[in-house]
Order: sequence, then structure tokens, then C-alpha cells
Amino acid sequence: DAGVIQSPRHEVTEMGQEVTLRCKPISGHDYLFWYRQTMMRGLELLIYFNNNVPIDDSGMPEDRFSAKMPNASFSTLKIQPSEPRDSAVYFCASSLRSEAEAFFGQGTRLTVV
Amino acid sequence: RKEVEQDPGPFNVPEGATVAFNCTYSNSASQSFFWYRQDCRKEPKLLMSVYSSGNEDGRFTAQLNRASQYISLLIRDSKLSDSATYLCVVNKGYSGGGADGLTFGKGTHLIIQP
Repeated sequence: DAGVIQSPRHEVTEMGQEVTLRCKPISGHDYLFWYRQTMMRGLELLIYFNNNVPIDDSGMPEDRFSAKMPNASFSTLKIQPSEPRDSAVYFCASSLRSEAEAFFGQGTRLTVV
Repeated sequence: RKEVEQDPGPFNVPEGATVAFNCTYSNSASQSFFWYRQDCRKEPKLLMSVYSSGNEDGRFTAQLNRASQYISLLIRDSKLSDSATYLCVVNKGYSGGGADGLTFGKGTHLIIQP
């Protein structure tokens, strides 16, 4: 298996633009997680899905953020409109169970200018 | 109290030395515990799971103390390649009917010096 695949690896966008991050989890993993990492706050869980259904989105910072999982092999995290404070590395991870080891993608480094 | 708390370091340790990190967690309902390693500008990767009985993997030993709610990681005979950030990870547990998922500490930065 190729592991968790994220795209793009890097994204630079202007404030106010829409940003869409993509993730393909490991096949057979029922759980998918979106994390954000910054120096100040470390790794924060934004939202996670079980069998394509959002279970906990309490970490989503505000309404500008939305996530979808239309099928078992694809998820998106959208920021609209983007702001400079959204600059961070966004990781997608998947696992067999919510309490099991999570496998991470290589991340998307987002810079909003 | 933070959900998962670690000393951020950095720990500057000479090559060959033994180094230990601790991590405390706040949720007594947590059942799964891990140590992850993260290299600079890379994704976190599982180093080892932490079991109640403690476990060892080569130069690495992890222990869990449920009564005091802390987890430890011991690295013996440290190598230059051990330089990284070590993240303590705990699952939230289903306490109070809330959702589960993994909570990451902010990490302990380790620098092995030649």
C-alpha cells in the first residue's frame, strides 16, 4: 500500500482565496483524521470520520473550515475564505480504529499571504 | 491541566548516553498510548505503542503508570539518528460519551550531539 496520500504538498495562496486540501487514506482503514500543526499549538485534531461519517468536528476552528468524505477513499478539507493565520501544515491520517495507531500522510504546507 | 503534557526541551544529550522523557495525561478513561517520532518537516510516525506491562524495542523502552497518569520513554545508547521530536499520544477515551480520537502532546525535542 502506498500509505496515506495528500495533495498538494505545498500551497501558497492569497488571503481570501479558497483552499482545498485532499487526502486518500489507506485502503481498509475506517477512520480518517485531519490535523493541523503549528509551532505554537502543536498537532491539533480538526475533525475525524468513521466510515465516511463525521464523528467529531469540535476542533474545526470556525465556519470557514469544512471537511467532506464522499467515499471511503477520498476526503477534502476546505478553507473559504483563507486567512494568514491559517498558515500551517495540515496532516491527514487514517487508522483501523479510533484508538489505534494512526498513519499520517506527508502533509500539506499551507501559506496564506 | 492539559490533556497531554510534555517537556518541550530541547534535550541536548551526548551520543551514547541514556535519555528519558515523561509525559502526563489528564483523562483517566484513556486506554491507548503511543510514542511517535517526528523528524524536521516530516510527518509523525509511530515509534512504539505503550502497554500496561511496559514494552521494549531494542534501545527503546516505554512504560505506563496508570495510577499517576504518566508515560515514559527511555532511549539507551543514543545515536545521532535519534535526534527528532518525540510526541506522546493518548486516545481520548469515551469518557462522558464524548468522541474518541488521538490527542498529541506538543513533543519533546531531542538533540544528540557527537
